[in-house]
Amino acid sequence: DTEVTQTPKHLVMGMTNKKSLKCEQHMGHRAMYWYKQKAKKPPELMFVYSYEKLSINESVPSRFSPECPNSSLLNLHLHALQPEDSALYLCASSQGNIGRGVEQYFGPGTRLTVT
Amino acid sequence: KNQVEQSPQSLIILEGKNCTLQCNYTVSPFSNLRWYKQDTGRGPVSLTIMTFSENTKSNGRYTATLDADTKQSSLHITASQLSDSASYICVVSGAGEYGNKLVFGAGTILRVKS
Repeated sequence: DTEVTQTPKHLVMGMTNKKSLKCEQHMGHRAMYWYKQKAKKPPELMFVYSYEKLSINESVPSRFSPECPNSSLLNLHLHALQPEDSALYLCASSQGNIGRGVEQYFGPGTRLTVT
Repeated sequence: KNQVEQSPQSLIILEGKNCTLQCNYTVSPFSNLRWYKQDTGRGPVSLTIMTFSENTKSNGRYTATLDADTKQSSLHITASQLSDSASYICVVSGAGEYGNKLVFGAGTILRVKS
């Protein structure tokens, strides 16, 4: 099983709402990632968890709050978002440090629209 | 500054034809280079990963080359199919402090028409 799953597929939320994105993998991978992708742009790294600990935060605004409850799950909590936060949010995982050439597997993404 | 540049930005070819996409990078120190295929609204799917010592790697009709001296890579697609229509993204991973970080190119949008 080389699948990374993400829920929901689509999410529409108002600027005052609180919502969460969920990501799951059962490949035993110890590194998990959140990316944000705007239309016709490459993915931008937001957060990296390594062994369930936050190892990289790319200066993401605090209205995005990641959480890694266990080695298979990764959440992204959303609060007080702005319309410019509308994007495709991608989750990914890898067995280890991708700097060493390991595969990184992406989920299908959650299409987020902030109204 | 670590950058990855891809060309062309977009490409239209007829079904059955071959094409080559280019990637130039300035990432240093270099660890590995990946090519991903991304269908619209979907997550990227890995095609190849090449490290410093690898010059060529194939995955079915996709063949990637790497020249670490000139910091260039290409992705050659043979006998294109309609399903090859997608964005192709070149991604370079730096070694050392860059750890889990990847530097993404802007991608080449390929459209294969019948």
